[in-house]
Amino acid sequence: RKEVEQDPGPFNVPEGATVAFNCTYSNSASQSFFWYRQDCRKEPKLLMSVYSSGNEDGRFTAQLNRASQYISLLIRDSKLSDSATYLCVVKSYGGSQGNLIFGKGTKLSVKP
Amino acid sequence: EAGVAQSPRYKIIEKRQSVAFWCNPISGHATLYWYQQILGQGPKLLIQFQNNGVVDDSQLPKDRFSAERLKGVDSTLKIQPAKLEDSAVYLCASSLVQGQIQSYEQYFGPGTRLTVT
Repeated sequence: RKEVEQDPGPFNVPEGATVAFNCTYSNSASQSFFWYRQDCRKEPKLLMSVYSSGNEDGRFTAQLNRASQYISLLIRDSKLSDSATYLCVVKSYGGSQGNLIFGKGTKLSVKP
Repeated sequence: EAGVAQSPRYKIIEKRQSVAFWCNPISGHATLYWYQQILGQGPKLLIQFQNNGVVDDSQLPKDRFSAERLKGVDSTLKIQPAKLEDSAVYLCASSLVQGQIQSYEQYFGPGTRLTVT
């Protein structure tokens, strides 16, 4: 089982739609979780952290279910500018100070 | 604030040749990472430095890859000799350490796109 698995995508949605991405992780000892955004041929950038209580940033809502080892990202009222690949990221507290383990990403395409 | 700088942006080499990539992290960021991102995959950590010391190089193919950060600032990643499967984007990232706390946010450079033919 891969350490971080995501919906394969691509997700093609119209502007204004609500879209949800799911992610599962295999290491139950993982402590920190994030969503990064990567635009085409660009570097990844932190979108938001994911907290146990769930957290919201504008149109974006992230949730964590530790029992199911499951993370989600909900985007409401999709904009054309939301088109990107969304990477689920888990901080693994292995041998060193903790490294980021990235999922393969889910590609979102928002159409007019 | 200047971001993470990388060069070159693109490189095409033949298999068995050597190549080197350079990274200059954000000023003051003690931790520097090199990632390999193959098309269609997420970034995979190759090596992590804190200042000029290696923290984790468990996923670095040491028979052909090497990296150094001699003065705790800039870093170079070298591949010698390159294989076809090394074709990927090589991303450098840096993060801040405040006291004993490692910041979770990593700032990525634009990457070097390597094509091995």
